[in-house]
Amino acid sequence: NAGVTQTPKFQVLKTGQSMTLQCAQDMNHEYMSWYRQDPGMGLRLIHYSVGAGITDQGEVPNGYNVSRSTTEDFPLRLLSAAPSQTSVYFCASSYARPASSYNSPLHFGNGTRLTVT
Amino acid sequence: GENVEQHPSTLSVQEGDSAVIKCTYSDSASNYFPWYKQELGKGPQLIIDIRSNVGEKKDQRIAVTLNKTAKHFSLHITETQPEDSAVYFCAAPPPPGGGADGLTFGKGTHLIIQP
Repeated sequence: NAGVTQTPKFQVLKTGQSMTLQCAQDMNHEYMSWYRQDPGMGLRLIHYSVGAGITDQGEVPNGYNVSRSTTEDFPLRLLSAAPSQTSVYFCASSYARPASSYNSPLHFGNGTRLTVT
Repeated sequence: GENVEQHPSTLSVQEGDSAVIKCTYSDSASNYFPWYKQELGKGPQLIIDIRSNVGEKKDQRIAVTLNKTAKHFSLHITETQPEDSAVYFCAAPPPPGGGADGLTFGKGTHLIIQP
């Protein structure tokens, strides 16, 4: 059981380039989300999905797109990278939505460290 | 949305001593408070959580206490060991009926266990 798998582990981009961060989970979780982690800022929610075909914006969505065509995959796209997007990105999934009464734990991947020069 | 404050940002304790990390939250309707541990180069992992109908929960050397009136909750680690060195995050769910559907995290506490 792999859990949440993120690829790549490291990436360097030049300003204006595009790329997709991959996230896959094998736990049949309906809820998936993307966070970015910056020093002194904690984890901030970028986008989330409560099921295949449904996505919504989090706290810091600008500059990022997502899609959810299957239950397993939730890729994060940077269309035109900027230095402000230098960060560590984490994908997380859970059985139930955080706002539900089930309070199921979030399972995180090991992150993608992105540098934009 | 929810606002979560976490203190201290860095905590250094001697091995064998206790460590306490505190968080406050803003929405009195919040009902679930998890704590995550993040080791270097890895993603956060849930270590303990508490629901609002419980005042304290223990799991071996780790405990979490909740004060709903004051809107704060704390992580207690007793008999600290070198493997407890990590960054710890508290979190709270979104308020009912509003805001993005994701956990709001504190800014983290870097716990250092001195040998």
